[in-house]
Amino acid sequence: GENVEQHPSTLSVQEGDSAVIKCTYSDSASNYFPWYKQELGKGPQLIIDIRSNVGEKKDQRIAVTLNKTAKHFSLHITETQPEDSAVYFCAASNGGSQGNLIFGKGTKLSVKP
Amino acid sequence: EAGVAQSPRYKIIEKRQSVAFWCNPISGHATLYWYQQILGQGPKLLIQFQNNGVVDDSQLPKDRFSAERLKGVDSTLKIQPAKLEDSAVYLCASSFLRDRGGYTFGSGTRLTVV
Repeated sequence: GENVEQHPSTLSVQEGDSAVIKCTYSDSASNYFPWYKQELGKGPQLIIDIRSNVGEKKDQRIAVTLNKTAKHFSLHITETQPEDSAVYFCAASNGGSQGNLIFGKGTKLSVKP
Repeated sequence: EAGVAQSPRYKIIEKRQSVAFWCNPISGHATLYWYQQILGQGPKLLIQFQNNGVVDDSQLPKDRFSAERLKGVDSTLKIQPAKLEDSAVYLCASSFLRDRGGYTFGSGTRLTVV
């Protein structure tokens, strides 16, 4: 089955700097790759996603890139702000008809003012 | 639109007791998921419903966990009897189409088994 590895597990940056979180997946049939942000005491919230027919997608300060050949995808946050501090999860669909998401273990991002 | 509603928010029980969680998905969302999130880990799928039918329950520990989704709307997840390792946040999510991604998660129920 699908396996998703996420790095780093913790990331600390200064406000205004960029942050990059990387994930790799194992199932070449996976075709949907969302990123979720989870704040303390809340459920994960979808912030951006990408499908396998697209190499890059951007939404304001957030961008995601996908390399299907290498089976890895990355989240880029530019001009980080303290409110970006949270745990970020990558996920991949396991292909087939169910469309279930397999999650990475998460990255705790801390943005220092 | 209203989000995914879950209750209770917190629950503390002793091992071997039973517990039930409730979820009300976003109106019109046919697909409903229950995920288990152990502290420091990513969510792990327990069961997926399409309307009121089970699509995937391969990761559900069926000797102690059960779930139902009557009338294709609300869902309940039950644990009986609970073990210490069941301590986790139980997240419910829903989506409009099964293979279109874009889940919306509820805030979860934090279960502590002592």
